[in-house]
Amino acid sequence: DIQMTQSPSSLSASVGDRVTITCRASQGISNYLAWFQQKPGKAPKSLIYAASSFQSGVPSKFSGSGSGTDFTLTISSLQPEDFATYYCQQYSSYPYTFGQGTKLEIK
Amino acid sequence: EVQLVESGGGLVQPGGSLRLSCAASGFTFSSYWMSWVRQAPGKGLEWVANIKQDGSEKYYVDSVKGRFTISRDNAKNSLFLQMNSLRAEDTAVYYCARGGRLRSGWPWDAFDIWGQGTMVTVSS
Repeated sequence: DIQMTQSPSSLSASVGDRVTITCRASQGISNYLAWFQQKPGKAPKSLIYAASSFQSGVPSKFSGSGSGTDFTLTISSLQPEDFATYYCQQYSSYPYTFGQGTKLEIK
Repeated sequence: EVQLVESGGGLVQPGGSLRLSCAASGFTFSSYWMSWVRQAPGKGLEWVANIKQDGSEKYYVDSVKGRFTISRDNAKNSLFLQMNSLRAEDTAVYYCARGGRLRSGWPWDAFDIWGQGTMVTVSS
């Protein structure tokens, strides 16, 4: 199985900050990577697919990059509604696997 | 409005069975791969299974192989997950999600739409 490792596991930031979350795959996955945002008690929301493409309706403050084994999600100009848990997920091979999540908290 | 609505969760004893349903609306259900993803309390997300548009291909995470069966009824715009021989470690919120096609470059194959989830608790 491909292991997805996110760092950091938690992150404190202030409104207006720019933050970057890293996701590393245990083997190459090309660009078959997605990013999701999840708020407490809610279903995940898709943000990014194919490592860097926006899902419909996702603001451009979210950006993804990377290929192979190393990927990043950058969120610019943090707003209160952006504080949530973020997950990466590979769909390059079965079983699909998610990172452990990065909890973004308000400082 | 594009929507997925899960139902069928509940409390079941270890070794018991449960059938989850997911009703799709607002899109042509028969045109999409569909998946189940679960989340144990306080834990991360885990992909469980997916199914091709016509039901001819199905894939499962190892921990549920032989116990869970994914299926669909395109005439009723519905996705199902039959869960047998349930274990305590199957306790989770189960989400249905649109997508799940391997190595696809299309946005609708990357879990772009999610239901609200249904809770399954396996306990005596």
